[in-house]
Amino acid sequence: GENVEQHPSTLSVQEGDSAVIKCTYSDSASNYFPWYKQELGKGPQLIIDIRSNVGEKKDQRIAVTLNKTAKHFSLHITETQPEDSAVYFCAASMDSSYKLIFGSGTRLLVRP
Amino acid sequence: GAVVSQHPSRVICKSGTSVKIECRSLDFQATTMFWYRQFPKQSLMLMATSNEGSKATYEQGVEKDKFLINHASLTLSTLTVTSAHPEDSSFYICSARGQGAYPVAFFGQGTRLTVV
Repeated sequence: GENVEQHPSTLSVQEGDSAVIKCTYSDSASNYFPWYKQELGKGPQLIIDIRSNVGEKKDQRIAVTLNKTAKHFSLHITETQPEDSAVYFCAASMDSSYKLIFGSGTRLLVRP
Repeated sequence: GAVVSQHPSRVICKSGTSVKIECRSLDFQATTMFWYRQFPKQSLMLMATSNEGSKATYEQGVEKDKFLINHASLTLSTLTVTSAHPEDSSFYICSARGQGAYPVAFFGQGTRLTVV
């Protein structure tokens, strides 16, 4: 089955700097890659997603890139703010099941 | 994004009792709902997938007789933890996906279950 690996497990950046989180997946049939932000005690919130027919997608300070050949995708957050501090999860799924397989998560801390 | 409401947000129960958690899609019809379990500082582990009107599909290692899932309508799925034990204490989260090919899943706010 699909396996998603996520790095780093923790990331500390200064406010205003950029943050990059990387994920790799194992199943080449996966074609949908969302990113979720989870704050303490809450459910995950979808922040951006990308399908396999697109190489990059951007939404204001957040962007996701996908390399299908290498089977990895990344989340880029620019101009980080303290409110960006949270745990971020990548995930992968395929049309045959729509099951989301999650990475292990990255705890992002943005220092004021 | 779409709204998924999960209730209750917190529940404490005694060992041996059963607890029901509800997951509702408020502004869309959810053809598929997923139930996850999350331990502290860990990732989300998929427990089961439920499609409206059919039996849930459980992931390997998840006891279907212990975690009963019902998806009786396009807006409601329930997870019942039967004969709960302290090791069942966890954060349970549901997600719902609407109709159509675009597989966007929206999550509920989660339920913190504590079994004493």
